[in-house]
Amino acid sequence: EADIYQTPRYLVIGTGKKITLECSQTMGHDKMYWYQQDPGMELHLIHYSYGVNSTEKGDLSSESTVSRIRTEHFPLTLESARPSHTSQYLCASSEDRYSGNTIYFGEGSWLTVV
Amino acid sequence: GEDVEQSLFLSVREGDSSVINCTYTDSSSTYLYWYKQEPGAGLQLLTYIFSNMDMKQDQRLTVLLNKKDKHLSLRIADTQTGDSAIYFCAETTAGTYKYIFGTGTRLKVLA
Repeated sequence: EADIYQTPRYLVIGTGKKITLECSQTMGHDKMYWYQQDPGMELHLIHYSYGVNSTEKGDLSSESTVSRIRTEHFPLTLESARPSHTSQYLCASSEDRYSGNTIYFGEGSWLTVV
Repeated sequence: GEDVEQSLFLSVREGDSSVINCTYTDSSSTYLYWYKQEPGAGLQLLTYIFSNMDMKQDQRLTVLLNKKDKHLSLRIADTQTGDSAIYFCAETTAGTYKYIFGTGTRLKVLA
């Protein structure tokens, strides 16, 4: 069972507001990720991190930013939300072990911008 | 570039077996995974297989890997209504950050 937590699970905010989606994992994984997924659709990697003070942009361009000050914490921030940001955001982390580089996901944060 | 393909829909009757198929293009893939996603939730790891294995069984789940054809399948025995979900196939190469996910197969189980 994966120990990766996202808050809030559901959020409705107005256009122009600043929002931070929180993600924490207790597994000590170095690598963490943010994916964006429209309902039932494919996953798009928007940010990843190899470890503390390491952040990289993913394959899908995103106006969001991330930070990695602590191993267990990888928050995602939108400075000025727009309706086009409405989506589900999935946080994940992965291990580097001989038994498999398994990636584990949180339950997701559903963001609606009105 | 790397790609993972899955059929979009599968419908089966309760109690039957389901077989969900996936093809991938990256010959350097090290690990292959199956995830389940229920509505409004994240992806739940079901099982994984190393690229040097042909088969893995875990209770009702059987994973078959044909490395020559780059084909992966997930068989669910005695499918239940609770198995209705979207199933994602994914692959990665050891040491990279990159996980390639398929578009997901929507499994509908009819009572």
